[in-house]
Amino acid sequence: EAAVTQSPRNKVTVTGGNVTLSCRQTNSHNYMYWYRQDTGHGLRLIHYSYGAGNLQIGDVPDGYKATRTTQEDFFLLLELASPSQTSLYFCASRGQETLYFGSGTRLTVL
Amino acid sequence: GDQVEQSPSALSLHEGTGSALRCNFTTTMRAVQWFRKNSRGSLINLFYLASGTKENGRLKSAFDSKERYSTLHIRDAQLEDSGTYFCAAEAMTNSAGNKLTFGIGTRVLVRP
Repeated sequence: EAAVTQSPRNKVTVTGGNVTLSCRQTNSHNYMYWYRQDTGHGLRLIHYSYGAGNLQIGDVPDGYKATRTTQEDFFLLLELASPSQTSLYFCASRGQETLYFGSGTRLTVL
Repeated sequence: GDQVEQSPSALSLHEGTGSALRCNFTTTMRAVQWFRKNSRGSLINLFYLASGTKENGRLKSAFDSKERYSTLHIRDAQLEDSGTYFCAAEAMTNSAGNKLTFGIGTRVLVRP
């Protein structure tokens, strides 16, 4: 069974704060994704990557950076967090077909 | 941009009954996936379809690329089927490579 692990599970920060969300997959998948999920919007793609050192811009990238340091690790960076970034964040990896998700990180920006 | 229109937004079912969820696409899609978000918040993959139909227990999904839609049927609904269901599709002419567009989700509540 594919495994995607996110950390932390919950995070609270203040406006202007610096936050890093971590994701690790042990599936040897090339593609990794960061999504945010908000009521009424479904899941929206922030950034994605097809391998170590690669980064592709998603549909809602503003205010986010990401870095894929290894095949396994993909990080989402919020350098100046804003209340509009309060959301549930999901990381996923993908092999040939199916997307495998982590358990999510709930971020609250006060 | 690519659009995925999912309906209904919410659905209430009595145990033992059935219903269908639908996603319409505004462009030709290469494949569709269906997910369920369970009570613990985990997103579980239900189906991947590049064409035709697939069935798994009480769930059945169909995908018609030409007619630009996909459906997910639930039959003999059980309490554990409650959750939010999402479809996600990949455009045929996806220049961004492997990018999935999600519907807004359908909140399904199965009542005793």
